[in-house]
Amino acid sequence: QKEVEQDPGPLSVPEGAIVSLNCTYSNSAFQYFMWYRQYSRKGPELLMYTYSSGNKEDGRFTAQVDKSSKYISLFIRDSQPSDSATYLCAIPNSGGSNYKLTFGKGTLLTVNP
Amino acid sequence: GAGVSQSPSNKVTEKGKDVELRCDPISGHTALYWYRQSLGQGLEFLIYFQGNSAPDKSGLPSDRFSAERTGGSVSTLTIQRTQQEDSAVYLCASSPSGTVENIQYFGAGTRLSVL
Repeated sequence: QKEVEQDPGPLSVPEGAIVSLNCTYSNSAFQYFMWYRQYSRKGPELLMYTYSSGNKEDGRFTAQVDKSSKYISLFIRDSQPSDSATYLCAIPNSGGSNYKLTFGKGTLLTVNP
Repeated sequence: GAGVSQSPSNKVTEKGKDVELRCDPISGHTALYWYRQSLGQGLEFLIYFQGNSAPDKSGLPSDRFSAERTGGSVSTLTIQRTQQEDSAVYLCASSPSGTVENIQYFGAGTRLSVL
């Protein structure tokens, strides 16, 4: 079992839809959880990060972590065509090797006007 | 301030040639990382630098791959005797040290095509 699994999609939604992107992970020691957004031919950029369980909201974006299920989610409300990108979940190792990020394979999202 | 800068942005080479990819991290960031991104494979960790030292080279796929970092700043990833399976986007990232969450900032990548 891979440490971080992510449904690659692709996902296509109409403008204004609510989008749910998800990852599962296997290591219960993981503490920090990140979402990166990658536009075509660009590098990934950090969108949000959360610590431990719970929700974190930033504008139209909400990151949710359920450590009991080892499940993380990113919700996008009122999606816009500019949200069209690949979304990658990323989790740093715990302890002394936290320099190492394990990424999901990414979900390609297209928001249609 | 300036972000992570990578050059060249695109590189086309012939099988068997050597290539050098360059990364300029964000000023003051002591940690630097190289990743490879292939279609359907996600981001694959290659190597981690802390200052000029590389405590983790575990992701380098073969001895044809090497990297160095000088002056705690610029890093070069070298691929010798390139093969077609080396075709991918090579991404560099940097981060400040001493942060538990380890947020990494990425460059736009070098798109390598081996013919």
